[in-house]
Amino acid sequence: DAGVIQSPRHEVTEMGQEVTLRCKPISGHDYLFWYRQTMMRGLELLIYFNNNVPIDDSGMPEDRFSAKMPNASFSTLKIQPSEPRDSAVYFCASSFVEGLDRTGELFFGEGSRLTVL
Amino acid sequence: KQEVTQIPAALSVPEGENLVLNCSFTDSAIYNLQWFRQDPGKGLTSLLLIQSSQREQTSGRLNASLDKSSGRSTLYIAASQPGDSATYLCAVAGTYKYIFGTGTRLKVLA
Repeated sequence: DAGVIQSPRHEVTEMGQEVTLRCKPISGHDYLFWYRQTMMRGLELLIYFNNNVPIDDSGMPEDRFSAKMPNASFSTLKIQPSEPRDSAVYFCASSFVEGLDRTGELFFGEGSRLTVL
Repeated sequence: KQEVTQIPAALSVPEGENLVLNCSFTDSAIYNLQWFRQDPGKGLTSLLLIQSSQREQTSGRLNASLDKSSGRSTLYIAASQPGDSATYLCAVAGTYKYIFGTGTRLKVLA
């Protein structure tokens, strides 16, 4: 399997612009997670999906952030309008839950490094 | 609310040393714990997954232990090598989601 695939790897934009980050989870995985990593706050969970349905979006910082998962093989994280404090590395991860195990092994993509000027 | 702490924040050791990285968590009601490695500018690579019913897992020179009752996990690296230099993160899994520690930045000197 190709692993979790994210695009773009790097994005530089100006304040106020819309940013869309994309993720393709590992085939067969039923959970998808979006994380944000900064030096100050470490890895923060933003939102996660189960079978394409958003389950917990309590980590989404503001209404400027939105995430969708239209099908099992694709998810987007959108920031509109973007601000300099959104600059971070955004990671997508996926897992498969089997049986009574409530959380499966987590696999990460390479991340999308966002810089908002 | 689950909080995960990793000590030390940074560690520098000479090549060949055996070392231990620590991870502690506040809520013992976990389903599993996973250790990751992160190289600069890269994503996280899974090293070891310990289910809540297990006490330890081993992979090559790595051994991870879990003591749920005390809220602790350790990652033991035997005979460290310069290629082991990276940031190591532990993540604790509650229901369906993982909470991450802040990581230990390891440098192994040749």
